[in-house]
Amino acid sequence: DVKVTQSSRYLVKRTGEKVFLECVQDMDHENMFWYRQDPGLGLRLIYFSYDVKMKEKGDIPEGYSVSREKKERFSLILESASTNQTSMYLCASSFEAGVKDTQYFGPGTRLTVL
Amino acid sequence: KQEVTQIPAALSVPEGENLVLNCSFTDSAIYNLQWFRQDPGKGLTSLLLIQSSQREQTSGRLNASLDKSSGRSTLYIAASQPGDSATYLCAVSQHNQGGKLIFGQGTELSVKP
Repeated sequence: DVKVTQSSRYLVKRTGEKVFLECVQDMDHENMFWYRQDPGLGLRLIYFSYDVKMKEKGDIPEGYSVSREKKERFSLILESASTNQTSMYLCASSFEAGVKDTQYFGPGTRLTVL
Repeated sequence: KQEVTQIPAALSVPEGENLVLNCSFTDSAIYNLQWFRQDPGKGLTSLLLIQSSQREQTSGRLNASLDKSSGRSTLYIAASQPGDSATYLCAVSQHNQGGKLIFGQGTELSVKP
């Protein structure tokens, strides 16, 4: 079974702190994704990556950056956390972008910025 | 710009009932459509994936249909159980978008014993 793990289930940080959210997948997937999920807004794509050291902006990249130094690991970075970044963050991975592909999701990290 | 809408936003049914969840999308040029389940405070679990060339997919008590031309998909759940209570999300992927998914806002289902 595919396993996608996220470093923390719950995280509390202060405004202005630098925050790292880590995601690891164990199935040698090429693609990895970071979403945030907010009530009334649904899931929105922040960044995604096709391969090591490759990254593409999603729909809401402002205030975030990403790093993918190894194929299995995709990190989301909040350079200076703000209260409007309080949210549920979900990581996903997929083998290839195509007709038959599906995305596998991690359990999520609920981030609170005070 | 692709938009995905799910109706209703919430649904409550008694145990044993058959039910239908609806999903609509504005751009019919999709690669595939997926249905996910999300339990409170958890990640998403993929239920069914329908390729753009297919009309339906089945898994156990679940059946998903796709009508690309009208921009609609339905998820049919037969003989609902309290364990089916969750939020159900549909998502589409499009050509040349690198597998990026566009999600609806979900239908929150409650099955009462």
